[in-house]
Amino acid sequence: GAGVSQSPSNKVTEKGKDVELRCDPISGHTALYWYRQSLGQGLEFLIYFQGNSAPDKSGLPSDRFSAERTGGSVSTLTIQRTQQEDSAVYLCASSPNAGEETQYFGPGTRLLVL
Amino acid sequence: RKEVEQDPGPFNVPEGATVAFNCTYSNSASQSFFWYRQDCRKEPKLLMSVYSSGNEDGRFTAQLNRASQYISLLIRDSKLSDSATYLCAVNLDYKLSFGAGTTVTVRA
Repeated sequence: GAGVSQSPSNKVTEKGKDVELRCDPISGHTALYWYRQSLGQGLEFLIYFQGNSAPDKSGLPSDRFSAERTGGSVSTLTIQRTQQEDSAVYLCASSPNAGEETQYFGPGTRLLVL
Repeated sequence: RKEVEQDPGPFNVPEGATVAFNCTYSNSASQSFFWYRQDCRKEPKLLMSVYSSGNEDGRFTAQLNRASQYISLLIRDSKLSDSATYLCAVNLDYKLSFGAGTTVTVRA
């Protein structure tokens, strides 16, 4: 079946601009996660959605970052007033439920802020 | 101290060799454990879950030592295609914490 999809696959933007990154989770998966991976680094948790519960935003690095999940499916991660240090690969993952279920990752969006 | 730590390597091994590496985690309440494989410029893909009793999947063996708070991965009879970065992941309260990865390069 279809896996997690993300768009765009690559995004180049200028410092100070806003960007929106999209994630389509696997159909039926109730849990959705956003991570960030900087060059040569591990994955950094950003935010987590589970069903209709309030999201866990504890990993968002600043108030310039926000995310929404509409209708329990598609999610959008928004970065306002981008900075060069925001350059990274943004990965989305989904799992059937929260807790101990394994997570399935999308291909990521490579963001470069000039 | 980082939540999850790994030896970055690289581990350069000849084809057919056995290679093993560990990952340590800091929170003893961690609930579940995984190994992911990540190829260059690709997303992580689940390699295997790690169970308390240890588990094997073909040439790959994973073990968990809760007392010492580490997990391990052993690759037997290494293939060129095993060259990748191996990320360990630790689940606590539905959030995965990842190590920075161990790079393995298998040479002909």
